[in-house]
Amino acid sequence: DTGVSQNPRHKITKRGQNVTFRCDPISEHNRLYWYRQTLGQGPEFLTYFQNEAQLEKSRLLSDRFSAERPKGSFSTLEIQRTEQGDSAMYLCASSPTDDAGGAGYTFGSGTRLTVV
Amino acid sequence: KNQVEQSPQSLIILEGKNCTLQCNYTVSPFSNLRWYKQDTGRGPVSLTIMTFSENTKSNGRYTATLDADTKQSSLHITASQLSDSASYICVVSRQTGANNLFFGTGTRLTVIP
Repeated sequence: DTGVSQNPRHKITKRGQNVTFRCDPISEHNRLYWYRQTLGQGPEFLTYFQNEAQLEKSRLLSDRFSAERPKGSFSTLEIQRTEQGDSAMYLCASSPTDDAGGAGYTFGSGTRLTVV
Repeated sequence: KNQVEQSPQSLIILEGKNCTLQCNYTVSPFSNLRWYKQDTGRGPVSLTIMTFSENTKSNGRYTATLDADTKQSSLHITASQLSDSASYICVVSRQTGANNLFFGTGTRLTVIP
């Protein structure tokens, strides 16, 4: 296991199209997080899974956004009817359930979305 | 309100020089403070993690300090290298809640030859 894997690394799409990103967490990590990061800003929380259960969603996650983790392993983030404002880096992170110290928290390399 | 503020927003230094980045926070109840390095187009990579009882922690040429009383942290980079050019993000973790990380906006460091 080489860490948190995200695919694709880059995605360019036309406004109005749907896109889907995938995140493969570290295999023994039960928790999975999605973030959005725009240029010059820190990551903003989107949603969080404990195994297959989606336990928390940010108000940033509009009804055009949906995330799933059907088997408690990989996760997908879908954006429907993309808008130019959706252009950002989408980061995935995972951690063990018992990670109070934060040492297990690991980010993926992100998916850079450009909506033209 | 739980906030993390970093300064400066950007910094340019000559290769070989030292620099210090600052982080102030108001997150409570505090759990730990993390410094991440983020290269352009990549995800953040952890440099140091400090809990309430730790005042300083080093990782090679990176040394982080924490003053939990004043809620301030610094990241000192010694003998900078061109590869240190990146964004450095301060992240503070709260004890409660699953979504318990609060991110600063980062300091963009550029090391020039």
